[in-house]
Amino acid sequence: DVKVTQSSRYLVKRTGEKVFLECVQDMDHENMFWYRQDPGLGLRLIYFSYDVKMKEKGDIPEGYSVSREKKERFSLILESASTNQTSMYLCASSFGREGEKLFFGSGTQLSVL
Amino acid sequence: GENVEQHPSTLSVQEGDSAVIKCTYSDSASNYFPWYKQELGKRPQLIIDIRSNVGEKKDQRIAVTLNKTAKHFSLHITETQPEDSAVYFCAAAHRYNFNKFYFGSGTKLNVKP
Repeated sequence: DVKVTQSSRYLVKRTGEKVFLECVQDMDHENMFWYRQDPGLGLRLIYFSYDVKMKEKGDIPEGYSVSREKKERFSLILESASTNQTSMYLCASSFGREGEKLFFGSGTQLSVL
Repeated sequence: GENVEQHPSTLSVQEGDSAVIKCTYSDSASNYFPWYKQELGKRPQLIIDIRSNVGEKKDQRIAVTLNKTAKHFSLHITETQPEDSAVYFCAAAHRYNFNKFYFGSGTKLNVKP
């Protein structure tokens, strides 16, 4: 079974802090994604990566950056956390280039106070 | 970019009844349409998907239909059971922008015993 592991289930941070969300997958998937989930808005793509050191902006990249130094790990960085970044963050991975199944992590509920 | 709209936002049915969730998409180049189920407190998981070269796909009690001309697709669940209670998300992926999924806003299905 594919395992996508997010480092924290719950996180509480202060406004202005730098926040790192880590995601690791164990199936040698090329593609990794960070989504943000808010009630009534579905899942919105923040960034994705289709190879090591490659990254592309999703629909809502403002205020976020990412890092993919190794194939199995994809990090989401909030340079200066703000209260409007309070949300559930979901990492996902997939194999291949054309519409492949997404495997999601269990999510990190981030609260910015 | 692609815009995926999903209706209804909530759906309540009696156990044994059928449930239908509908999604529309805007970009005719989208060619892959998955459905994800997210149970309370759990990660989204793929339950069924369809590609643009077919009009219908079934898997036991669930089915998905696609109308490319009208740009809409639907999830059908027959003989609903309490364990079908969850949030369901539709998505569309663009053949020229591989693996960039656009998700609907979700439908909360409640199956009453």
